[in-house]
Amino acid sequence: EAQVTQNPRYLITVTGKKLTVTCSQNMNHEYMSWYRQDPGLGLRQIYYSMNVEVTDKGDVPEGYKVSRKEKRNFPLILESPSPNQTSLYFCASSSLTGEEDYEQYFGPGTRLTVT
Amino acid sequence: QKEVEQNSGPLSVPEGAIASLNCTYSDRVSQSFFWYRQYSGKSPELIMSIYSNGDKEDGRFTAQLNKASQYVSLLIRDSQPSDSATYLCAVGFSGGYNKLIFGAGTRLAVHP
Repeated sequence: EAQVTQNPRYLITVTGKKLTVTCSQNMNHEYMSWYRQDPGLGLRQIYYSMNVEVTDKGDVPEGYKVSRKEKRNFPLILESPSPNQTSLYFCASSSLTGEEDYEQYFGPGTRLTVT
Repeated sequence: QKEVEQNSGPLSVPEGAIASLNCTYSDRVSQSFFWYRQYSGKSPELIMSIYSNGDKEDGRFTAQLNKASQYVSLLIRDSQPSDSATYLCAVGFSGGYNKLIFGAGTRLAVHP
């Protein structure tokens, strides 16, 4: 089954304790992206990657890091989480070839609470 | 600043009616347009994509695009209570980096 997976699905942590949210896709997609979703603000892009070893900032990258060492994986790293990073996080992927460019498929989400 | 605007709703329609959801965007060179459905606490699910002016139909859903007016809409015919969700409009902006800008979403409530 074609899918994007994220782990963990729920996470409660404390300020300053480093954490990683994993994202993996099995569709051989070149493009992967992280979003956060907050009430009234919609989905905002954090970081994206066009391919292995190619990453760039989205609209709200402060406080986050990413890496893309393998095509299927795109982890999101919070080196020192703060309460304002409490949010619902989604990973998404899409192909960059053919007429289905831009059609992004989303993982199930990770609800992060930083206290 | 590229923007995608949607009425937040809620849009309330009776079961069996047509629900009409609207979206405007700011960038004239946008190439691709999408509608996602999101149930509360769940991830966005792609339901329609449209790339050229006119209408595109898929089952009970019809997407309409008017690039001159920078307007895209989604019609849901024979609305069902299971259609109650938030509908997100997303616009793909040119520039070679596959970026989608999402609207904040319109909440649709279909009542029996």
